[in-house]
Amino acid sequence: SAVISQKPSRDICQRGTSLTIQCQVDSQVTMMFWYRQQPGQSLTLIATANQGSEATYESGFVIDKFPISRPNLTFSTLTVSNMSPEDSSIYLCSVEDQEGSNTGELFFGEGSRLTVL
Amino acid sequence: LAKTTQPISMDSYEGQEVNITCSHNNIATNDYITWYQQFPSQGPRFIIQGYKTKVTNEVASLFIPADRKSSTLSLPRVSLSDTAVYYCLVGDDPGNTPLVFGKGTRLSVIA
Repeated sequence: SAVISQKPSRDICQRGTSLTIQCQVDSQVTMMFWYRQQPGQSLTLIATANQGSEATYESGFVIDKFPISRPNLTFSTLTVSNMSPEDSSIYLCSVEDQEGSNTGELFFGEGSRLTVL
Repeated sequence: LAKTTQPISMDSYEGQEVNITCSHNNIATNDYITWYQQFPSQGPRFIIQGYKTKVTNEVASLFIPADRKSSTLSLPRVSLSDTAVYYCLVGDDPGNTPLVFGKGTRLSVIA
């Protein structure tokens, strides 16, 4: 299993500003995934972050809006840039279980709830 | 990517068995079927995974027919604390093909 810590757990932001969310894992992992969950909705994958290379973004998400860093195998950041009220969501960091017997089992952080005014 | 279809919501009384069925007609040969549970204000949590036939753990059972085009999550004797959203996902290694969450099933357990 993996323990994932996200910061901040929640924040209220002003329109036009940017916020960086941090994700710390208690073990080394190859890939980290960033999801967004809008109020009352399911999870949508934003991007996959590999250490040492640029993140891979899903359709509808771009690097200028959601820049991602992955400086080492236990840490990643997601920045939500030039925020608007439509960016109000829970942002979740996730990693794949590297040692378990289940294929592709994901562990999630508690999420970062952003409210943009 | 294999798409999944689940009921949007279900209600159950405490102590009953709950079965949530998921359709995944386009499941690929290498895909596993995985179910997650999500409580409010928390990230999803792994419940169970299977490839074919039946899998059982301390939390739930997963029934998968031979054609693998659907699966059923069975929760025995639910309690109020089982009220959550349940997601069915199909896929293999998320490093190869990122896992896609469907809309999930919102289970409400009432006393």
